[in-house]
Amino acid sequence: GAVVSQHPSRVICKSGTSVKIECRSLDFQATTMFWYRQFPKQSLMLMATSNEGSKATYEQGVEKDKFLINHASLTLSTLTVTSAHPEDSSFYICSARGGATTDTQYFGPGTRLTVL
Amino acid sequence: AQSVTQLGSHVSVSEGALVLLRCNYSSSVPPYLFWYVQYPNQGLQLLLKYTTGATLVKGINGFEAEFKKSETSFHLTKPSAHMSDAAEYFCAVSGAGGFKTIFGAGTRLFVKA
Repeated sequence: GAVVSQHPSRVICKSGTSVKIECRSLDFQATTMFWYRQFPKQSLMLMATSNEGSKATYEQGVEKDKFLINHASLTLSTLTVTSAHPEDSSFYICSARGGATTDTQYFGPGTRLTVL
Repeated sequence: AQSVTQLGSHVSVSEGALVLLRCNYSSSVPPYLFWYVQYPNQGLQLLLKYTTGATLVKGINGFEAEFKKSETSFHLTKPSAHMSDAAEYFCAVSGAGGFKTIFGAGTRLFVKA
């Protein structure tokens, strides 16, 4: 149980384009989803927290107009990187919390974004 | 406020040796404590967690951790390292009521043959 999927696992795009990453909880209802960014050999940096049906709460320093988060259902959240630039290249990981295990976050496998 | 300190960014052990990864935390509320493992280019996998009850927690792959409130520690151990244990390990703390999860900086475990 408690499986979280992400799609795509890897994406390469041109500078100026937008990229959408999906995060799904496969076997539980995720009342809360989290988006993280991870730089090489570093820990996870929380970007935003989203509750189903509500606007996401962004961490300080994260541009909400650049990183659009939608949590339209209890099993799906999306992160859209708008007008991507090379500095947005990173490993993006989502996690979900909910169902019977509200004290634990379960993580997706991550998405490697490369902006050329 | 909550924080996590993982002592040692790198730990190297021989195959078959004891694994000890250190984690100390601070928390203004009774903590929930977690250890996650991350393999290259993958997400985080939950190894074990402590919320309430027994302070010695057993997880997957032979790992265990003990919550010591007096020492504000939650060190991760495994009696005998295996090559497949080589990975990045993250300690994390949160609390009841939807507290944000705070992650440590991570400890990379190397296992020598």
